[in-house]
Amino acid sequence: DVQMTQSPSSVSASVGDRVTISCRASQGISFWLAWYQQKPGKAPKLLIYEASSLRRGVPSRFSGSVTGTEFTLTISNLQPEDFATYYCQQTNSLPLTFGGGTKVLIK
Amino acid sequence: QVQLVESGGGVVQPGGSLRLSCVVSGFTFNNDGMHWVRQAPGKGLEWVAFIGYDGRKTYYADSVKGRFTISRDNSRNTLHVQMDRLRAEDTAIYYCVTDRGNSGTYLTDTWGQGTLVTVSS
Repeated sequence: DVQMTQSPSSVSASVGDRVTISCRASQGISFWLAWYQQKPGKAPKLLIYEASSLRRGVPSRFSGSVTGTEFTLTISNLQPEDFATYYCQQTNSLPLTFGGGTKVLIK
Repeated sequence: QVQLVESGGGVVQPGGSLRLSCVVSGFTFNNDGMHWVRQAPGKGLEWVAFIGYDGRKTYYADSVKGRFTISRDNSRNTLHVQMDRLRAEDTAIYYCVTDRGNSGTYLTDTWGQGTLVTVSS
């Protein structure tokens, strides 16, 4: 199984800040990685797929990139509605595996 | 728009059974694979099972293999998971999720609101 290591587990930031979240795969998954946002009491929402493709309707302040097996989610100009937990997930093969999550907190 | 509505959650004793259902609308159900993903209280996300568009292919997480059975009824736009020999560690919110992957890969695209399963005596 592909292990996904996500960091940090939490980050404190202010409105307008730039936040970066990292995710590393234990083996090569090419660009087959997705990012999700989850707010308390709600289901996760897909933000980015294939490492850097923005899902329709997701604000452009969200972006994704990949270097080797290291993936990054960047939130530019953090907005109040962005305070949530973010998960990475490898979509290359079953079993699908998720990172442990990153909680973005208000500073 | 795409809608997925899960039902069937509840409280069950260890060793018991439960069947979850997910009724979908807003897309051509029999074109897409489907997943179940769960989330234990206060914890992260765990993929549970996948079924192909026609029900012929099924895959399971090791943690539920031999105890859970995923199925679908394309005539009723409904996804199911039969959960047997339930354990306390199966306590979680269970989400029904569409698959929009291609070229042999997967993508958990749209998620239902989830249904809570509690395994407790």
